[in-house]
Amino acid sequence: GAVVSQHPSRVICKSGTSVKIECRSLDFQATTMFWYRQFPKQSLMLMATSNEGSKATYEQGVEKDKFLINHASLTLSTLTVTSAHPEDSSFYICSAESSGSRTDTQYFGPGTRLTVL
Amino acid sequence: ILNVEQSPQSLHVQEGDSTNFTCSFPSSNFYALHWYRWETAKSPKALFVMTLNGDEKKKGRISATLNTKEGYSYLYIKGSQPEDSATYLCAPSPGAQKLVFGQGTRLTINP
Repeated sequence: GAVVSQHPSRVICKSGTSVKIECRSLDFQATTMFWYRQFPKQSLMLMATSNEGSKATYEQGVEKDKFLINHASLTLSTLTVTSAHPEDSSFYICSAESSGSRTDTQYFGPGTRLTVL
Repeated sequence: ILNVEQSPQSLHVQEGDSTNFTCSFPSSNFYALHWYRWETAKSPKALFVMTLNGDEKKKGRISATLNTKEGYSYLYIKGSQPEDSATYLCAPSPGAQKLVFGQGTRLTINP
């Protein structure tokens, strides 16, 4: 149980285009979903937290107009990287949790490798 | 920004040997600590969540301890097997729904 899928696993795009990444909880309802990114040789860094039906909360330094997050249902969140540039090339990974209790676990997707040319 | 340090960064262990590694974090504003195991090309998988000072958790050959007063957690693997090869991530949480990840310890088990 507690499987999270992410699509696509890998994407290459031209500079200036937008890219959408989907994150789905397959066998549970996710009240909260999270988006992280990881640059080479660095740790996973939280970008934003989203709750179903409400606006995402972005971490300091993350541009909300550039990284659009939609959490339209309890099983789906999307991250759209708008007008992508080479510096946005990174590994993006989502996670989901169901209850938000102190011992609740975030379940992760397999990640998306974005390369912007 | 919470400073989380994991050591060592990488580790090579002979099959059958036991090993351990460390996660250090600020002891103030502690809420919970998570350990994840991340195999290449797969999703990170949760191993343990610990909240209380002195907590010890065990799952098969893997166990973890927590010291919130001094700000560290140890992960132990007994009798390492090739399938234990992975990156082990520590993520202390300063509050609800907030994980701050270390860079991980990359473990390789040599057959």
